Amino acid sequence: KAGVTQTPRYLIKTRGQQVTLSCSPISGHRSVSWYQQTPGQGLQFLFEYFSETQRNKGNFPGRFSGRQFSNSRSEMNVSTLELGDSALYLCASSFPEGISRAFFGQGTRLTVV
Amino acid sequence: ELKVEQNPLFLSMQEGKNYTIYCNYSTTSDRLYWYRQDPGKSLESLFVLLSNGAVKQEGRLMASLDTKARLSTLHITAAVHDLSATYFCAVGLGGTSYGKLTFGQGTILTVHP
Repeated sequence: KAGVTQTPRYLIKTRGQQVTLSCSPISGHRSVSWYQQTPGQGLQFLFEYFSETQRNKGNFPGRFSGRQFSNSRSEMNVSTLELGDSALYLCASSFPEGISRAFFGQGTRLTVV
Repeated sequence: ELKVEQNPLFLSMQEGKNYTIYCNYSTTSDRLYWYRQDPGKSLESLFVLLSNGAVKQEGRLMASLDTKARLSTLHITAAVHDLSATYFCAVGLGGTSYGKLTFGQGTILTVHP
């Protein structure tokens, strides 16, 4: 069974640009969550999507957005990139309810220069 | 706001020794997870704990949950070098926050010969 797939794995962008990251969940998983990991702030929840709807949102500015498609694949977008957005962005998929583990992808390492 | 605190944050162990990592959380929780992360890698799911008194074991790792004390422990028995990694606990809430996990700061474990 294929795991959670994130693309691209590495990305270098310039301040002010925007970026789109992609996440394909495990087959059958309909909930997709996104997390930002930095050395200073640790792992922070960005948002969660289920059935193409954002179900939960963390404390991030509106520059961070996401969406989910009918096949459960998800994208997150960061506009007007800042140096502080440099981080490892992790996507997790799970069944939307019940006893469920979240399985994480390999992440996208974003560097903003 | 849910807060999750781990201690210690850094743990240097000798091979063959035992030690415990503690995870305290501030709000009644639906479930608690333990994850392992190797440098530059994603998060690997270790355990899910769902009820008071739950105990899970795999290899040299054993996790337990005391919901009344809002405390989970990850016990390492007879540590080996391969256990060197960062260990995170994460707490999930129910209801509308189901898909959101709040992580502890992580415990960096180094096992020395």
